Amino acid sequence: QQQVKQSPQSLIVQKGGISIINCAYENTAFDYFPWYQQFPGKGPALLIAIRPDVSEKKEGRFTISFNKSAKQFSLHIMDSQPGDSATYFCVGSRSNDYKLSFGAGTTVTVRA
Amino acid sequence: DAGVIQSPRHEVTEMGQEVTLRCKPISGHDYLFWYRQTMMRGLELLIYFNNNVPIDDSGMPEDRFSAKMPNASFSTLKIQPSEPRDSAVYFCASTKFPVGELFFGEGSRLTVL
Repeated sequence: QQQVKQSPQSLIVQKGGISIINCAYENTAFDYFPWYQQFPGKGPALLIAIRPDVSEKKEGRFTISFNKSAKQFSLHIMDSQPGDSATYFCVGSRSNDYKLSFGAGTTVTVRA
Repeated sequence: DAGVIQSPRHEVTEMGQEVTLRCKPISGHDYLFWYRQTMMRGLELLIYFNNNVPIDDSGMPEDRFSAKMPNASFSTLKIQPSEPRDSAVYFCASTKFPVGELFFGEGSRLTVL
């Protein structure tokens, strides 16, 4: 069963707009939540990550918001650019376990 | 530094044939992972190795799949015999630190006719 549920499946945003991807997890033992970005024909690459003791983390135009009580977290892409067009995966994992539970992925298309 | 290197990038084969996918992890990385990506099932962990030893192969779908890591710089994933439902992109990834960044290769796209 999928331990991390991700939505939407795809989204289209205009250049300069905000892209928002939401994830919810089941396993309360998860304590590390990375996001991976995948371009067509490439492997996923780590974009940004957060631990549940922090409610928000920002790196450039990318921000993760984390709500531990609701078991939800989200990725915001501010000022979206065409180069951000990719598939984004949220992930849940435990510190003592190398198994990453990937969400189903969200394909983001940024129109110029 | 070179990243994770996978070969072949593309493989087209016929049902029943043996397929061998290869991976060279990043030097110094003690953990190696094989993932499979499909539209229907997303990214699935097949198996992972620590210091060349298979630790968890619970994701390997069937006995037709096998993986080896004879040394720290080389791993193979073998499918024998292959079936059309094995068509997918297979990724190899490596990492050095616990719960750290996974470095993925560019994948091997397998098509079984």
